Amino acid sequence: NAGVMQNPRHLVRRRGQEARLRCSPMKGHSHVYWYRQLPEEGLKFMVYLQKENIIDESGMPKERFSAEFPKEGPSILRIQQVVRGDSAAYFCASSPMEGNEQYFGPGTRLTVT
Amino acid sequence: QQPVQSPQAVILREGEDAVINCSSSKALYSVHWYRQKHGEAPVFLMILLKGGEQKGHEKISASFNEKKQQSSLYLTASQLSYSGTYFCGTESNGNNRLAFGKGNQVVVIP
Repeated sequence: NAGVMQNPRHLVRRRGQEARLRCSPMKGHSHVYWYRQLPEEGLKFMVYLQKENIIDESGMPKERFSAEFPKEGPSILRIQQVVRGDSAAYFCASSPMEGNEQYFGPGTRLTVT
Repeated sequence: QQPVQSPQAVILREGEDAVINCSSSKALYSVHWYRQKHGEAPVFLMILLKGGEQKGHEKISASFNEKKQQSSLYLTASQLSYSGTYFCGTESNGNNRLAFGKGNQVVVIP
């Protein structure tokens, strides 16, 4: 049973470009969560999605950031007009239903130059 | 609100025991513990629900004191593989949103 998959694992973008991060949850999981982690810091919640629904986006910046989890395909975290402060590791987690443990993917390390 | 984890770092020899703590200023619905090695994804260890239950995973166990809004993770007879940063994620009011502490760095030496 494949775990949570994220790609790309590493992404380099210049300031002003767009970054698209993809997450495929574990088989049978319908809940996806995105977290951001800065070096030597804990994980910061960004957004919680179910298929075709954003359940909680209270941790996501209102501008430049958006997330979706379509009926078919992976969840996408999109960052427009990236700035240096967006450089971080972005982790996706999935769970089968509310209240269950969240399993994390390997993360995407975004570097903005 | 971010939980507070203590101590920040622990160094112990193989076979020794250690306790690491996670405290919150908010009432908690559940506590989730993860271990992360450098450059890797956090690995799920266990989840504790309110009710003061204790759980175990190999020689790692945890308790959750709902009234004190804190959880402790017990590393017993530590192994080299226990090295890593341990994060607690706390959930208030069953909303599935986890707030993570800054982590406890654990180093086990031979």
